[in-house]
Amino acid sequence: ETTLTQSPAFMSATPGDKVNISCKASQDIADDMNWYQQKSGEPTILIIQEATTLVPGIPPRFSGSGYGTDFTLTINNMESEDVAYYFCLQHGNFPLTFGGGTKVEIK
Amino acid sequence: EVQLVESGGGLVKPGGSLRLSCAASGFTFSAYGMNWVRQTPGKGLEWVSSISSSSFNIYYADSLRGRFTISRDNAKDSLYLQMDNLRAEDTAVYYCARGNYGDLNSWGQGTLVTVSS
Repeated sequence: ETTLTQSPAFMSATPGDKVNISCKASQDIADDMNWYQQKSGEPTILIIQEATTLVPGIPPRFSGSGYGTDFTLTINNMESEDVAYYFCLQHGNFPLTFGGGTKVEIK
Repeated sequence: EVQLVESGGGLVKPGGSLRLSCAASGFTFSAYGMNWVRQTPGKGLEWVSSISSSSFNIYYADSLRGRFTISRDNAKDSLYLQMDNLRAEDTAVYYCARGNYGDLNSWGQGTLVTVSS
C-alpha cells in the first residue's frame, strides 16, 4: 500500500501569498497523483491531474509539480475564494490512498 | 454537466445493512469506471471500492471485503454499494466518484451513513 504524507495539516495565508502543500509517497507512483479542492456544501473538484496538469476551468494561479515520490500543490497569489480543504490522491496502484488533507484559511 | 447524486444513507444499528445508490447524468455512464470513497473527520478520506465500466474488474479495500459489495446498472446509469454487517467505524459520508482505474475526476456531494444503536 502506498502511504501519502501530506503537509501541513493547516495553514493560514494572507491574500497574495504563495501557498505550497506537499504530498510525499512511500513508493514511486510516477505521475499518478491528483489534487482536489473541497469546500463545505459543494462537490469536491479535481484541480490538478497527473501531478502537473491543470484541469480546464481551474484558475492558473494553481499549479502542481513533482514526480515519483515528492509532489507539491502551489497556489500563487492566494485569494479568499481559495479557502478550502485540499487533499492529494494516488491512483498508481490499488488500494487508492489519500493524503491527510490541508485546511487553508485566510488571515 | 456531469452530475452524481448519492442516496440511501441514514441511521442504522450495528449489524444492519444499507444500500447506497448513485445516479449519474451528463455523461456516458457505461464508458467510465466508478468508485466509492468515504470520509470521516477523524480518519479523513478512505477509498472503499472501484468497478470498471463493464463490471469486469472490481476492487475493494482489504478491510471492507466481504461486507461491502459494489455493483452497477449501466441501463439505469446507476452505481450501488451494498453494505452489510455495519459497524460504528463505518460511520462516514460516502461519495461516489467517476474515474477509470481510480483516476477520480468527478465527485458527488455525498450521503451520510451513521451506524449507532
